Amino acid sequence: EPEVTQTPSHQVTQMGQEVILRCVPISNHLYFYWYRQILGQKVEFLVSFYNNEISEKSEIFDDQFSVERPDGSNFTLKIRSTKLEDSAMYFCASSEGTSGGGGVDTQYFGPGTRLTVL
Amino acid sequence: ILNVEQSPQSLHVQEGDSTNFTCSFPSSNFYALHWYRWETAKSPEALFVMTLNGDEKKKGRISATLNTKEGYSYLYIKGSQPEDSATYLCAFFQAGTALIFGKGTTLSVSS
Repeated sequence: EPEVTQTPSHQVTQMGQEVILRCVPISNHLYFYWYRQILGQKVEFLVSFYNNEISEKSEIFDDQFSVERPDGSNFTLKIRSTKLEDSAMYFCASSEGTSGGGGVDTQYFGPGTRLTVL
Repeated sequence: ILNVEQSPQSLHVQEGDSTNFTCSFPSSNFYALHWYRWETAKSPEALFVMTLNGDEKKKGRISATLNTKEGYSYLYIKGSQPEDSATYLCAFFQAGTALIFGKGTTLSVSS
């Protein structure tokens, strides 16, 4: 069964460094998402991406963050100048887009990347 | 601020027990309600996407109901098994926003 994959599974970085989190969505999906979960808190939406551009983003997704689909398979989240409070589990998800995307389609999640900022 | 609440936060049942938990969400501008099953160290697994008031969905021993007018959904597990142990997340989608998650209900099933 197709699945969303994410690399690395765990990333440790120093405060102020840039990190790139990578995701390979399911191949025929059209919508891509990033979420994060800070330990002990709710899963939070960061950004959705469709047709090579951001379709929605949350208040969390400020200028420190960017997303890119550099080729036909990868979807990346870049965090510039990481802060201690960026430490979280970051999840990538994708959906087919048959229902117009957004919150109506089933979203398939990857296993997450645990980011630790020291 | 849109808020999704899940209760109870955790529960522990014996194998064979049936159980249910609640997801509460804003009743205005409802678009969809998602349920996910999340086992430790694995990807959250989609269970249901519910869009219509009165909707009932079923997947094996797990079922869910939806009341959009009063803003709640119930998830039921019939005859719980140890492999049902997981955190069950609900997420609400309101038109023009994004998925808003509850904190989850963590279920532990003892054999």
